[in-house]
Amino acid sequence: EDQVTQSPEALRLQEGESSSLNCSYTVSGLRGLFWYRQDPGKGPEFLFTLYSAGEEKEKERLKATLTKKESFLHITAPKPEDSATYLCAVQIVSGGGADGLTFGKGTHLIIQP
Amino acid sequence: DVKVTQSSRYLVKRTGEKVFLECVQDMDHENMFWYRQDPGLGLRLIYFSYDVKMKEKGDIPEGYSVSREKKERFSLILESASTNQTSMYLCASNLRGDRGSYEQYFGPGTRLTVT
Repeated sequence: EDQVTQSPEALRLQEGESSSLNCSYTVSGLRGLFWYRQDPGKGPEFLFTLYSAGEEKEKERLKATLTKKESFLHITAPKPEDSATYLCAVQIVSGGGADGLTFGKGTHLIIQP
Repeated sequence: DVKVTQSSRYLVKRTGEKVFLECVQDMDHENMFWYRQDPGLGLRLIYFSYDVKMKEKGDIPEGYSVSREKKERFSLILESASTNQTSMYLCASNLRGDRGSYEQYFGPGTRLTVT
């Protein structure tokens, strides 16, 4: 069974304190791994797509990396506005036309001023 | 900018009612999806569609049906609402490509309460 596990469930950091969020996956064939940010009461907002091991993507204070078993979302010198729930999702290889995503349960990140 | 809109932000319905949730996207995307999000369970796929009048079951289709009569519109139908269908419902869409892994864009969500 395909599984996506995110850790930690919650993380509280001081402003400027860098850290990493983890997403480990067990899937039969990875087509793509996605990171989203979700603010309370809103829909997920797309951040990154990673396709193959060794790939990295960056956007402002965020950097996503991918290995064959896991992905990391590194947050450098975070600010309070980075507080949100970060979701990891995978799309697997299948024979269908469109494929839904399998999501992890998310990491709730709080950045304190 | 991609825009996915959902007909209601909040909805309260009674047990046994038929409920329609509407989703519209304005970017000519082939694929559309319905998820529900619950605390401790995360987002789970209910149904998706890769073309007009085409639909596929996701991970939790029981108690739901869908309709896609036009490319830009995808409806989720609760034939007889039950209290265990109280949830946040999220619609998403994306392009279909050979690689099949274009990012999905989400709507703002509909928080449905069934009493």
